Amino acid sequence: GENVEQHPSTLSVQEGDSAVIKCTYSDSASNYFPWYKQELGKRPQLIIDIRSNVGEKKDQRIAVTLNKTAKHFSLHITETQPEDSAVYFCAASKGNSGYALNFGKGTSLLVTP
Amino acid sequence: SAVISQKPSRDICQRGTSLTIQCQVDSQVTMMFWYRQQPGQSLTLIATANQGSEATYESGFVIDKFPISRPNLTFSTLTVSNMSPEDSSIYLCSAWGGRTEAFFGQGTRLTVV
Repeated sequence: GENVEQHPSTLSVQEGDSAVIKCTYSDSASNYFPWYKQELGKRPQLIIDIRSNVGEKKDQRIAVTLNKTAKHFSLHITETQPEDSAVYFCAASKGNSGYALNFGKGTSLLVTP
Repeated sequence: SAVISQKPSRDICQRGTSLTIQCQVDSQVTMMFWYRQQPGQSLTLIATANQGSEATYESGFVIDKFPISRPNLTFSTLTVSNMSPEDSSIYLCSAWGGRTEAFFGQGTRLTVV
């Protein structure tokens, strides 16, 4: 089955700096790659996603890049703010819809003022 | 996106007993899933809840331990049977309505004593 690896497991940055989280996947059939943010005690919330026919997607301070050849994708957060502090999960799926997600182990991001 | 109501939000149960978790979506969805998230860990897929047929379980999860129902396109239940302390975890329902993202219920925090 699909194996998603995520690095780093923890990341600490100063407010205003950029944060990058990287994930690799094993199943070349995967074609949908969402990123979820989970604050303590809350449900995971989608922050951005990318499909395999796109190499990069941006939404304000958040961007995701995908390299299908290398089977890796990354989350980039620019101008980080303390409220960005949370656990971030990458995931991979074999369907644009209707397929289960395989999650990475998560990255605990801390943004210090 | 649609809203998922999951209940109970938390429970403390005696070992050997069973707990049924309910997941209600406010609109019809194509797919529903159940995940487990142990404290400080990632999300692990338990099974896909299939409408009108038996659920599809992931490796390591069996129907006798985690029976699932999905009688219609908006509702599913997960039962954690014959509980042991190792079943203490957060159980999350997820739904996917087509080309929109997968979204999650708020989770059920289960403690088995």
